[in-house]
Amino acid sequence: KNQVEQSPQSLIILEGKNCTLQCNYTVSPFSNLRWYKQDTGRGPVSLTIMTFSENTKSNGRYTATLDADTKQSSLHITASQLSDSASYICVVSREGYKLSFGAGTTVTVRA
Amino acid sequence: DAGITQSPRYKITETGRQVTLMCHQTWSHSYMFWYRQDLGHGLRLIYYSAAADITDKGEVPDGYVVSRSKTENFPLTLESATRSQTSVYFCASMRGTGELFFGEGSRLTVL
Repeated sequence: KNQVEQSPQSLIILEGKNCTLQCNYTVSPFSNLRWYKQDTGRGPVSLTIMTFSENTKSNGRYTATLDADTKQSSLHITASQLSDSASYICVVSREGYKLSFGAGTTVTVRA
Repeated sequence: DAGITQSPRYKITETGRQVTLMCHQTWSHSYMFWYRQDLGHGLRLIYYSAAADITDKGEVPDGYVVSRSKTENFPLTLESATRSQTSVYFCASMRGTGELFFGEGSRLTVL
């Protein structure tokens, strides 16, 4: 069973609207949680990385939150743009290089 | 240019043939990784390397071989390709902060 579950699997939103992606994990011990953006046909690119003590981190219109007690994270996209169409991957680190990947949420932004 | 590059980007081969996917990074990061990405699955670790001449198996190593004679190169070899190895392969390197940098991927089709 995957230790990192993402929801929804996919979503479609209109340009300019906001959306929130969810990530639940059971990985233990926990070191940090990362969100990556993967454009079609490209490699994943880092958006945010949060340690146990961080509750929120922003990168432009992307804001990630972390609740280490409930083992949940969310990625909020504000005022979506067409270029936000991509797959968003949640990655949880146990220690160092030991990473667990979610299957990703595919976001499609329509004009 | 600095970064991580993979070659070839696209490869079609036949069952039983040997295939080598190349990965080169210009940062001198110690850790390097090979992942495969399949529909419905998160990225799965095939092999990783902590330094030159130090490699170890990941989650799905069967049918793959790696070597790392130089810090900057981390080739992945499929000794006798099978249809189940049709996938997109990503090489990555890890900075000291834990941030992961991915290549653009190598799409392999085994007929």
